[in-house]
Amino acid sequence: EVQLVESGGGLVKPGGSLRLSCVVSGFTFSNAWMSWVRQAPGRGLEWVGRIKAKTDGGTTDYAAPVKGRFTISRDDSKNTLFLQMNSLRIEDTAIYYCTAGGTWELLWGQGTLVAVSS
Amino acid sequence: DIVMTQSPDSLGVSLGARATINCKSSQTILDSSNNRNYLAWYQQKPGQPPRLLIYWASTRQSGVPDRFSASGSGTDFTLTISSLQAEDVAVYYCQQYYSRPFTFGPGTKVDMK
Repeated sequence: EVQLVESGGGLVKPGGSLRLSCVVSGFTFSNAWMSWVRQAPGRGLEWVGRIKAKTDGGTTDYAAPVKGRFTISRDDSKNTLFLQMNSLRIEDTAIYYCTAGGTWELLWGQGTLVAVSS
Repeated sequence: DIVMTQSPDSLGVSLGARATINCKSSQTILDSSNNRNYLAWYQQKPGQPPRLLIYWASTRQSGVPDRFSASGSGTDFTLTISSLQAEDVAVYYCQQYYSRPFTFGPGTKVDMK
């Protein structure tokens, strides 16, 4: 069974940091291009960024609002995707989804909620 | 960035009736080198993550009922539900993956009339 399970969300103060994880099972993670997509409460979907498979260069791309503050990485030995979020802002409050695809997003986790508030 | 717009914002459809959702991109998302439109459609039900319905603008993902179809090219696209079922009540999003940052439309909410 394919599973993407996010963790690491929570309440954080503006300027703080969080590290999200996404553990994957049921497909070959090392071959997958992975992304993070977020959804603010009651709002639409926003692409955060993507990491290619190492065999395709392992490069990352980010949306402008998070570039320089967020870092996507992967540990293929642990089937795990990461999102390091620094200098968090109130507007980063959202459910963060881990996805597999990297272009169209075929598989989605259930999401983890990040709330940025003082 | 490519801006995606959708219309209508919301749609009330009777059981068994047709629902049509439009999506427009601010610039072409057709790659003339391979004649592919870099557009996907997703369905999101309340409290659930999105689900991929369509990619390459018209290719139905495995397991998606054939009452869902999509068409369009260049900058104008359409998702059609031929005969609305109760389980189709959801918000539908289009997404371009032609150029980064990949962008989503604002969503169209489909309700039962």
